[in-house]
Order: sequence, then structure tokens, then C-alpha cells
Amino acid sequence: QVQLVESGGGLVKPGGSLRLSCAASGFTFSDYYMSWVRQAPGRGLEWVSYIWSGGTNTYYADSVKGRFTISRDNARNSLYLQMNSLRAEDTAVYYCARFIGGRFDFWGQGTLVTVSA
Amino acid sequence: EIVMTQSPATLSVSPGERATLSCRASQSVNSNLAWYQQAPGQAPRLLIYGASTRATGIPARFSGSGSGTEFTLTISSLQSEDFVVYYCEQYKDWPLLTFGGGTKVEI
Repeated sequence: QVQLVESGGGLVKPGGSLRLSCAASGFTFSDYYMSWVRQAPGRGLEWVSYIWSGGTNTYYADSVKGRFTISRDNARNSLYLQMNSLRAEDTAVYYCARFIGGRFDFWGQGTLVTVSA
Repeated sequence: EIVMTQSPATLSVSPGERATLSCRASQSVNSNLAWYQQAPGQAPRLLIYGASTRATGIPARFSGSGSGTEFTLTISSLQSEDFVVYYCEQYKDWPLLTFGGGTKVEI
């Protein structure tokens, strides 16, 4: 069955950096677009970024453009999110999600990122 | 950016009753709309895509309708596990995707 397992979250100071990882299994990872979606505490869902199956094209929400970088390693069935210049408003649970036809059909359990001094 | 507005923010319903949730888009998204369900502390789960197609494994009591700017998610007979939060998402404006603010269904 499809499994997505995120890791790498934690507490970081404003201006700091963090790298999230997502390990995928149960499907042919290299066939699918992948995405990161976040959810601030007590708030709704916000799409952050996605990457095409081959890794050639990437897209970002305006709120993270220039600070976050999405990447993937199809040989390792892994998705990554490098987050730099973190702000308090980046505090959220970050979900890795498989993306197909505009929808997110499978989600990981999420990893919490807290940006605080 | 297409803004998605869900109403009501909270819906109070009794078990076994029908629930009707609304999602409105600030401009037409045709049928490029999905619905998700999220239980407390859990990841979202895809329920509906293409405005009315149930995702794999989703019970028949969940149905979606609408097109353009007005959409509805109907749960025909609420079960205990259905009292959670629901989100709509438009993907007409790909690559810019936007979610609604959510509707909480409570007992």
C-alpha cells in the first residue's frame, strides 16, 4: 500500500534552516508529481510546493518562494524540502502528498516545524 | 488567486442525519474541485475529485455536486467517524492551488 513518511521537523530559530524528508513506498515514485502542503496550528491547509515526476519543474506558493527548495531523488524514493530564512509564520505541520490530476490522493502523517526564538 | 469560501464554518447535525456542506469559488473552476476529510491529529484524506467522483475506497454516503462557482458535499447519513473537518480545493488555477477554510461537522 502507498506509504509516505515525513521526517526532519523540529524547533528552529527565526532565520534558521531545516530540511524535511519524505520516504515513499508502495508505488512507483518516479511516475508521480509530489508535493508539500502545510497546516499552521488550528488553521486550514496551504499548498507549499510541488515537483514534477522527473524533477525538472518545480512550483512554489508566493509565501515561500525564494526561501524554500523542493527536490527529489527517484533512486531513493525520497522527496525533500529545504527551508531557509524561516519565519514564525512558517510554523506548521508539513505534509508530503502524492499529487495527480490536481488533487492530493495520498498524504503522509506530517512533521511539525516550529519556528521560535 | 482563486479564493475558496466554505460555509458554514461549523455544522451541527445528529448522527444518521444528512449533512450538506458548501464551497464557493471566487471565479469559475469548472469541475476542478476536490474535497478532503481530516480527523483530529490525522492527515487529510481525499474524498471527491472532479467535483463528483468518489476517490478509491470512499463510502457511497459521500457525494459531491456542482460546477463553476458553487459546490456541495453531501453526507447522506452521518456516522460517528464523519464528525470531523472537511476542506475543498480548486485546481483549475494550476499550478496555483487553493483550499477553502474548512467546515467542521459536529454532533
